[in-house]
Amino acid sequence: GEDVEQSLFLSVREGDSSVINCTYTDSSSTYLYWYKQEPGAGLQLLTYIFSNMDMKQDQRLTVLLNKKDKHLSLRIADTQTGDSAIYFCAETRGGSYIPTFGRGTSLIVHP
Amino acid sequence: SQTIHQWPATLVQPVGSPLSLECTVEGTSNPNLYWYRQAAGRGLQLLFYSVGIGQISSEVPQNLSASRPQDRQFILSSKKLLLSDSGFYLCAWAGTLYNEQFFGPGTRLTVL
Repeated sequence: GEDVEQSLFLSVREGDSSVINCTYTDSSSTYLYWYKQEPGAGLQLLTYIFSNMDMKQDQRLTVLLNKKDKHLSLRIADTQTGDSAIYFCAETRGGSYIPTFGRGTSLIVHP
Repeated sequence: SQTIHQWPATLVQPVGSPLSLECTVEGTSNPNLYWYRQAAGRGLQLLFYSVGIGQISSEVPQNLSASRPQDRQFILSSKKLLLSDSGFYLCAWAGTLYNEQFFGPGTRLTVL
């Protein structure tokens, strides 16, 4: 099975909060990341969190990490149409050069 | 500030033709560099990575190859393209503190 799993689609109404979930299997993951990919473009790093943290907040973005359950989530407050994109969860083990990416969650924001 | 360039942006090539995609990074030294392919299923497949000039690690056996002739230049090549080589090719470099990846704009390759 995949090392990092995400649901493929999420649809929300403009102004609502979006929560994108991710699970990973590697208990030695050190860094976890969220990336955003707009159509036809490369991935853009949104935020990252260390495995010894529970939460990180950055403006409208909140990352929650449950290390026991190996569950990572990204909450986007006041979701806007410009937030429509594919969101990738990723993890890296300490000392590794190779990140593992999930398959991405398509966030669709409708009026 | 660091920037990463890829070219060409789009490419249409016949089956059996050669390929050369180029990636260059500015504003950083001795970066770890990566080539990914993103197919229709959207997941990222790591093809090659490099930790220094002339040092290439291949993650997936295939008819593609990579080279790093200069510190901030990474090239993806093929001698004979297959239909299955179509996809969106992304180059990335990694930050040294948290191994976060910074991606280029990508090359859309269509093999006919």
